[in-house]
Parts: sequence; structure tokens; C-alpha cells
Amino acid sequence: GQNIDQPTEMTATEGAIVQINCTYQTSGFNGLFWYQQHAGEAPTFLSYNVLDGLEEKGRFSSFLSRSKGYSYLLLKELQMKDSASYLCAVLDSNYQLIWGAGTKLIIKP
Amino acid sequence: DVKVTQSSRYLVKRTGEKVFLECVQDMDHENMFWYRQDPGLGLRLIYFSYDVKMKEKGDIPEGYSVSREKKERFSLILESASTNQTSMYLCASSWGEGTTDTQYFGPGTRLTVL
Repeated sequence: GQNIDQPTEMTATEGAIVQINCTYQTSGFNGLFWYQQHAGEAPTFLSYNVLDGLEEKGRFSSFLSRSKGYSYLLLKELQMKDSASYLCAVLDSNYQLIWGAGTKLIIKP
Repeated sequence: DVKVTQSSRYLVKRTGEKVFLECVQDMDHENMFWYRQDPGLGLRLIYFSYDVKMKEKGDIPEGYSVSREKKERFSLILESASTNQTSMYLCASSWGEGTTDTQYFGPGTRLTVL
């Protein structure tokens, strides 16, 4: 079956760096998405990786290793507003998005 | 900016009622999707549509139907609501021929079935 694994919850301190991991086992691969979802709100797009390596976008970076079935989202200089759930999703061979359950990130002052 | 709107943020219905959830997008997107989101589970695809009057079953279509009469509007119908359909329902849309494009989500409808 198809599976996306990410930690359920993480805690970090304001101003610090946090890495949220995502491992996947899917039938084929056509890219990996990261979305941010604040409590009670819609998911919003953060990044898309289809090639191996690191993509940097301001304070957020996303890394992909297709051979390892692994990605991470790196958040730097954490701010209180970064408290949210972070969703990992993989596009499989049928171009269907397979979603992880999300990682709830709690930022403490 | 892409805007996806959903008809209600919160909805309470009784078992056996027929429920309509409406979604409208204003960016002329080809693709529209209905998901449900439950605690501890990833987003699960109910139905999607690549064109007007076209629909495809997702992973969990049982108990649901959809309608896409106009490009901008995608409706989710619960023919006879049941308590296990209590959930957050999210609509999304995307541009392009496949689903490789970024999906833009509406604010969600939290449905409670009593």
C-alpha cells in the first residue's frame, strides 16, 4: 500500500531551527508537496520538490531524496506564527496526491 | 490571488438528511477536488473533476456524490447523512491538465451529523 509517515507533533523554541521529516512509500513518484495549515484554516502551499536536493525559499527550505523516499522541511528563525500543522503529500504514478497525517508544530517563547 | 470559497464554515445536520456542500473558485481552474480531513489521518480524496460534467472517484467515494455543472462550481452531496460523515470537508482547485499543479484550498466546512 501507499504510505506517508511524518511525526505527529514537534515542539521548538522561537528563534530556533526545526526540521520536519517525511518518509514515503508510494506507487511511483511525480513530486512531493509541503503545505502549512493553521488551526481551523485551509492548507496553503509551501513547496514542491521533484528533483533531489534542497530548495530554499526564505526561512523555509525543503529537501528531497528520491532514492531514500525521504523529504524534510526546514524552518529557520522560528516565529510564533509558524505554529501550525505541516502536511507532506506525494504525487504518485497516477498523479494522485497521497497525504500524510501532518505534523503539528508548537512554538514556545 | 486564487480564491476558493465554500458555502458554509460550520454545518449541523441530522442523520438521514440530504446535505449539499458548495465550492466556488474564481481562477478558471480546470481541476477541482473534495477531501475530508479527520484527526490523525491525512487528507482523503472523495471525488475530483477535471472538467465540467466530468467526475472521478477518489479513495472514499461511498456515501457521496458530486456535481459540476459549471467550471467554477463543484458540489459535494451527501445523499443520506450518517454520523460517520462528521468531518472537516475541504475543497481545492488547481490549474492544468493533471494534478501536478499546486492545489488551492477553500476554508473548509466542519460538518457535524447528529
